[in-house]
Amino acid sequence: SQTIHQWPATLVQPVGSPLSLECTVEGTSNPNLYWYRQAAGRGLQLLFYSVGIGQISSEVPQNLSASRPQDRQFILSSKKLLLSDSGFYLCAWSKPLSGRMNTEAFFGQGTRLTVV
Amino acid sequence: QKEVEQDPGPLSVPEGAIVSLNCTYSNSAFQYFMWYRQYSRKGPELLMYTYSSGNKEDGRFTAQVDKSSKYISLFIRDSQPSDSATYLCAMSARNQGGKLIFGQGTELSVKP
Repeated sequence: SQTIHQWPATLVQPVGSPLSLECTVEGTSNPNLYWYRQAAGRGLQLLFYSVGIGQISSEVPQNLSASRPQDRQFILSSKKLLLSDSGFYLCAWSKPLSGRMNTEAFFGQGTRLTVV
Repeated sequence: QKEVEQDPGPLSVPEGAIVSLNCTYSNSAFQYFMWYRQYSRKGPELLMYTYSSGNKEDGRFTAQVDKSSKYISLFIRDSQPSDSATYLCAMSARNQGGKLIFGQGTELSVKP
């Protein structure tokens, strides 16, 4: 069975410090990978998605970047955090079927980031 | 106008009630529709997945999709206190890399 791991669960960082959140998927190959952010009481906002190694698409301009150095590893980074970067960050994966049809996405348990 | 609209609630019902949760959308290209349940401080958990129009039933949960009205619903029968959570609808279009567009989520509380 497939599993997704995301860490850390909670993080408190000062303004201006760097950020690195890691996500790995097990039990599947060539997954689509996603980073979402959820503000308090809000829905999920897609930040980045990747359909393959080194292929990153950004959905919104922001202070964050993403990388996919390996097939099942997805990293969210920032060089200098802002107060507005606080939120609940979720990594997700989906398995593309043949013909590039979409399937449902499965989420990690999230990282609660507080920038102080 | 948001692509997906969902009433954030909160919605409070007594135990055993039938719950109806709804989303409307504007993008007629959406073909894949999902409902997620999210407990506080946890990642969303997939509940139901449907393709195109129609109904799908899984235990106490029924998902309905009406593409002509651009309207989807999730019904919960015999609701339990353990159903108390935020319910998020999500949808995607074909050949868009699996990108999901989420509703805001409806906070549900089932009172014993």
